[in-house]
Amino acid sequence: DGGITQSPKYLFRKEGQNVTLSCEQNLNHDAMYWYRQDPGQGLRLIYYSQIVNDFQKGDIAEGYSVSREKKESFPLTVTSAQKNPTAFYLCASSSLQGGYYGYTFGSGTRLTVV
Amino acid sequence: AQSVTQLGSHVSVSEGALVLLRCNYSSSVPPYLFWYVQYPNQGLQLLLKYTTGATLVKGINGFEAEFKKSETSFHLTKPSAHMSDAAEYFCAVSGAGGYQKVTFGTGTKLQVIP
Repeated sequence: DGGITQSPKYLFRKEGQNVTLSCEQNLNHDAMYWYRQDPGQGLRLIYYSQIVNDFQKGDIAEGYSVSREKKESFPLTVTSAQKNPTAFYLCASSSLQGGYYGYTFGSGTRLTVV
Repeated sequence: AQSVTQLGSHVSVSEGALVLLRCNYSSSVPPYLFWYVQYPNQGLQLLLKYTTGATLVKGINGFEAEFKKSETSFHLTKPSAHMSDAAEYFCAVSGAGGYQKVTFGTGTKLQVIP
């Protein structure tokens, strides 16, 4: 079955560490997205990519980095520059007609700073 | 530019009662509208969408929504709430034509009281 796989489901980070969240899709979607979710704040867009080797900043890109070396993969790195990284992170993908068909979401990664 | 406003961050209904979750949108172009549902610690799942045509759209789990252009609204309803409907619901909007990102509302948590 086609879908999006996020791993790990739970991740713990020590202060000053970089961590990488994985997102893989087998839907043959061109576009991929990373969102951060905090209680009461909805979904906030971190980065998105419409094509391999290209990506754009979203609304809250500071302290995060991404790469898009393969169509299927869009990993997110939470760097030590992100001062409050504890949150639920969601990856999504869509065709380039995502505005028409909507997005497909992964099951999320919960990141906690310890 | 486009935006979504969801009225009420928390809604409580009794089991068997009508569910009404409110969503108003703003869009400079004809909108495509979506409702997503999120269960705890999971990703978002598409409930239903409006693109063109019939303004009353039916989705999964007995939910439906009506697009009212004159009121710029897309409220979500279900005639009879079930305990399994307890979740967070997100309204979203994108613009018709070309590549358009989807903009999400801040979500409404639905509590179903036995």
